Amino acid sequence: GAVVSQHPSWVICKSGTSVKIECRSLDFQATTMFWYRQFPKQSLMLMATSNEGSKATYEQGVEKDKFLINHASLTLSTLTVTSAHPEDSSFYICSAHLGLASYEQYFGPGTRLTVT
Amino acid sequence: GQQLNQSPQSMFIQEGEDVSMNCTSSSIFNTWLWYKQDPGEGPVLLIALYKAGELTSNGRLTAQFGITRKDSFLNISASIPSDVGIYFCAGQLPGKLIFGQGTTLQVKP
Repeated sequence: GAVVSQHPSWVICKSGTSVKIECRSLDFQATTMFWYRQFPKQSLMLMATSNEGSKATYEQGVEKDKFLINHASLTLSTLTVTSAHPEDSSFYICSAHLGLASYEQYFGPGTRLTVT
Repeated sequence: GQQLNQSPQSMFIQEGEDVSMNCTSSSIFNTWLWYKQDPGEGPVLLIALYKAGELTSNGRLTAQFGITRKDSFLNISASIPSDVGIYFCAGQLPGKLIFGQGTTLQVKP
């Protein structure tokens, strides 16, 4: 149980284009999902908390207009990197927890974004 | 803001040796989690700790939640090559996790 998938696993895009990353909870419903960013040899940095049916909560310093988050159903959250630039190249990872009574977050396999 | 100090930053050990790593914080946490991340993959949950003083095992892994609630350690016994990876501690804040900087473990066969 508690399987989270991400798609795509990797993507290369040109500077100025937008990229959408999907995060799905496969065997449970997730009212809350989380989006992280990880640079090489560094820890995970929380970007935003995605809430089903409401606006995402962004961490300080994360541009909400650049990183659009949509959580339209209990099993799907999407992160769209708009007008991507090379500095947006990173490893993006989503996670979900089983519910309000659980603090354990289960992570997806990550998406490697390279902006050329 | 809250920070988790994880040590050591990296370890290079011989197969069969035991490993110990820890996390400390100036803040109190009510939950500590330990994750392992393989290259190019998302972190995988190893152990979750919910009570101060709690000692929990998962196979060759043992983790403890410090009495002060400001620290936790993870031990790996009889290491094997597949233990290679980055180990992260995480402390639970309202609505989110805070991660340590990670401990990179390398195991020499």
